[in-house]
Amino acid sequence: NAGVTQTPKFQVLKTGQSMTLQCAQDMNHEYMSWYRQDPGMGLRLIHYSVGAGITDQGEVPNGYNVSRSTTEDFPLRLLSAAPSQTSVYFCASRYRPSGANVLTFGAGSRLTVL
Amino acid sequence: KNEVEQSPQNLTAQEGEFITINCSYSVGISALHWLQQHPGGGIVSLFMLSSGKKKHGRLIATINIQEKHSSLHITASHPRDSAVYICAVRHMDSNYQLIWGAGTKLIIKP
Repeated sequence: NAGVTQTPKFQVLKTGQSMTLQCAQDMNHEYMSWYRQDPGMGLRLIHYSVGAGITDQGEVPNGYNVSRSTTEDFPLRLLSAAPSQTSVYFCASRYRPSGANVLTFGAGSRLTVL
Repeated sequence: KNEVEQSPQNLTAQEGEFITINCSYSVGISALHWLQQHPGGGIVSLFMLSSGKKKHGRLIATINIQEKHSSLHITASHPRDSAVYICAVRHMDSNYQLIWGAGTKLIIKP
């Protein structure tokens, strides 16, 4: 199993550009989520999904879109990048949305918006 | 006030020392997670607790639900334990979302 695969690992964008961060898992996990991590702050939830076709907003959803057309994939789209979106982004999944199961994280994607 | 507070924020110790990292929370929870983030950035789940104590190798995690407090202990610490340790709680009213602590940065010197 590859676990949770995130691409790209690094990306530099100019203000106003759009891009998609890819996340794929091969563990048949129902729950998938996107977090951003900024210096000195805890992880903040952007969007999450409890199954194919179901997505919901987290704590900081503005400026981001997600979709979950398959169980395996959960892409995060930045519609019009802003310098405030410079951050490290993590995709994480777990087998069931609730219950006794831990999160598995991707390796992270470092995004810089100039 | 943050709902999840970790202490200390930073901890430097010598190899071999017994390490304790604390996590206090102010909400009712159904579970508490401890995670480790290595200097390279990867995040790994260490424990998920809803009561009592769990042990894995040199790592021990305990939780006291009444006191709303959890500790992560590392016995016989080693430089490879140097990492950021993160506590996160699952709110009792939300099965999906986690509330995250800011992390404790641990450095173990040889």
